[in-house]
Amino acid sequence: DVQLQESGPGLVKPSQSLSLTCTVTGYSITSDYAWNWIRQFPGNKLEWMGYISYSGSTSYNPSLKSRISITRDTSKNQFFLQLNSVTTEDTATYYCARSGTTVVARYFDYWGQGTTLTVSS
Amino acid sequence: QIVLTQSPALMSASPGEKVTMTCSASSSVSYMYWYQQKPRSSPKPWIYLTSNLASGVPARFSGSGSGTSYSLTISSMEAEDAATYYCQQWSSNPPTFGSGTKLEIK
Repeated sequence: DVQLQESGPGLVKPSQSLSLTCTVTGYSITSDYAWNWIRQFPGNKLEWMGYISYSGSTSYNPSLKSRISITRDTSKNQFFLQLNSVTTEDTATYYCARSGTTVVARYFDYWGQGTTLTVSS
Repeated sequence: QIVLTQSPALMSASPGEKVTMTCSASSSVSYMYWYQQKPRSSPKPWIYLTSNLASGVPARFSGSGSGTSYSLTISSMEAEDAATYYCQQWSSNPPTFGSGTKLEIK
């Protein structure tokens, strides 16, 4: 079965960069699908951040475009989120999730358990 | 970006009661997707392509709609259905989510 697992530092200081890892088991991230980062703020609003596709192409939310980078390590079947210049408003639970790449499959069918990130000095 | 407005934000239902929640899009979308989330868990896919139930979802759930108006219906409320439900679109980038309907059991 496909499983996704996030990992990260838990706490980051304002103005620093955050880096999160999503480890995928049960499916190769180079076979198909898009591999996404989604966050949920306190108060429960969900925001899509971006994805890296099976081919390596990326797409980002315009609201984050200047601060975000999603990369991957295909040898480890992992993909990564880097978000620069964080503020307290980036405090959230961060999820990695899989989505389809075709018009009729553009939803998130597998999710990780989430990792909580707090931005605080 | 397309804004999804869910209503009501909070509702409660008695066991056996019919439940309907709605999701209104700021522009027309081709399909709507729904997720169920319970406390301390990640969202679970619940309904895809507007009206198809995800694996394991009870048949008492249904989805419908088109254009800018979509809904999720539970034919007969059960205690296990208490959760927050989110709608999501990806007819245009970026994909967006509604703010959720929290459903409680009376």
